[in-house]
Amino acid sequence: DARVTQTPRHKVTEMGQEVTMRCQPILGHNTVFWYRQTMMQGLELLAYFRNRAPLDDSGMPKDRFSAEMPDATLATLKIQPSEPRDSAVYFCASGLPRTGRSSGNTIYFGEGSWLTVV
Amino acid sequence: GDSVTQMEGPVTLSEEAFLTINCTYTATGYPSLFWYVQYPGEGLQLLLKATKADDKGSNKGFEATYRKETTSFHLEKGSVQVSDSAVYFCAHWNGGSNYKLTFGKGTLLTVNP
Repeated sequence: DARVTQTPRHKVTEMGQEVTMRCQPILGHNTVFWYRQTMMQGLELLAYFRNRAPLDDSGMPKDRFSAEMPDATLATLKIQPSEPRDSAVYFCASGLPRTGRSSGNTIYFGEGSWLTVV
Repeated sequence: GDSVTQMEGPVTLSEEAFLTINCTYTATGYPSLFWYVQYPGEGLQLLLKATKADDKGSNKGFEATYRKETTSFHLEKGSVQVSDSAVYFCAHWNGGSNYKLTFGKGTLLTVNP
């Protein structure tokens, strides 16, 4: 089965350390999303890409977060320096949109990277 | 702008009760509509989808119909089970517009035996 793969699945790190989360979208999917989920805020869209170009990263704190797609098979989300308030589950999702009356396709989510910053 | 509004929980039901979770949306064009489910401690799984008006998505006894005239995509199940306890998210994806996947805030469902 095709699936979105995220690494690491779990990460515990100390405040101030750099954290890099990786995502391998489903082969052929050209739209990639990064979401963060916390108890307080729920699901927040951090950034999304189409054809590797960032379309919107307004949900991401720019001073410490960065998102890139070095190639079509890899998306990265980096936090530097990390802070305890960054503790959350980070989800990557991918899809392949179609335009027109039956627009859209299925968006598939990875299993998440569960980050704890102490 | 695009948005999704779903009924706020938590929703608590007894086993075999009927479930409805309301979802309405605003969007330009012809978005695809989804219901995702998140079981405790797990990621988001696609439950069902509909890509055009009047389509009905169904899976595991759950159903939702894409109603363009009321901009709704309500989730229903005739007889819930304890194993259905989870958080349910309604979402739309406007692949013909800005490609943004927009979620509702989620509805926590608890089913008691």
